[in-house]
Amino acid sequence: EPEVTQTPSHQVTQMGQEVILRCVPISNHLYFYWYRQILGQKVEFLVSFYNNEISEKSEIFDDQFSVERPDGSNFTLKIRSTKLEDSAMYFCASKEEGHPNEKLFFGSGTQLSVL
Amino acid sequence: AQSVAQPEDQVNVAEGNPLTVKCTYSVSGNPYLFWYVQYPNRGLQFLLKYITGDNLVKGSYGFEAEFNKSQTSFHLKKPSALVSDSALYFCAVRGLGGSYIPTFGRGTSLIVHP
Repeated sequence: EPEVTQTPSHQVTQMGQEVILRCVPISNHLYFYWYRQILGQKVEFLVSFYNNEISEKSEIFDDQFSVERPDGSNFTLKIRSTKLEDSAMYFCASKEEGHPNEKLFFGSGTQLSVL
Repeated sequence: AQSVAQPEDQVNVAEGNPLTVKCTYSVSGNPYLFWYVQYPNRGLQFLLKYITGDNLVKGSYGFEAEFNKSQTSFHLKKPSALVSDSALYFCAVRGLGGSYIPTFGRGTSLIVHP
C-alpha cells in the first residue's frame, strides 16, 4: 500500500528556533493535513490544505505556524519560533479527492522536542 | 463541537480472548465514525468506518465495531485477539454537515499477552 513519508523521525531544537517538518504525501492525493499529539493527550487537528491553500485550521495553528507545498510533492509545516509546548508528535496525512471511504493516510510522525 | 473520548489508556487481553476498545463520541447530527490503528514506527492506518446502515461494521484484520446511537458509542471489538494486534488504537468522529475534519481521541494502547 502507498505510504505517506515524514522526515525527520525525530527533531530536537532549542526554544525560539525555527523548525520545518517535511512530508511527502501519496502522489495522487489532493488533500493534506497536519495533526499533532502531545504526550498523553488527544491527536489534535492543526491544518488542512487543498488546491494550494489552507482550507481549514484550528486555534492551535496561529501565526507561528505555516504550511507550504513548494514543489508539488513535499508538504511542509514550519514553526517560526518554537515554544516548549510545541513539543509533540506531528503527523502528516493525505486523502484522495472524492474517495468514498474518506480515509486518511498518515505518516509515521515526527517527534519534535523543544528544549 | 465534536469530540471523542477513549476512556482507557491501556487494555490488556490474553491471546485468544475477545477484546473491546471503548469509544464514545459527541457530535451534532449524525456521525461519521472511524477507527485507526498505529503499529510501532508506522503511521495511523484506517481500520473501519461507520456512516449509516448496519450498526455492526466489519473492518480490516478481523476487527469490527458496533455503533450504538443511544449510548453514543462506537466500541472496537475482535472475537479472538492476536499478539500481533498489540498497537495503539484511535477512534475519530466527524459530524455530517459540519467540519470535514475528523476529530481524534487520545488513543488506547492494546496489549495482547501470549
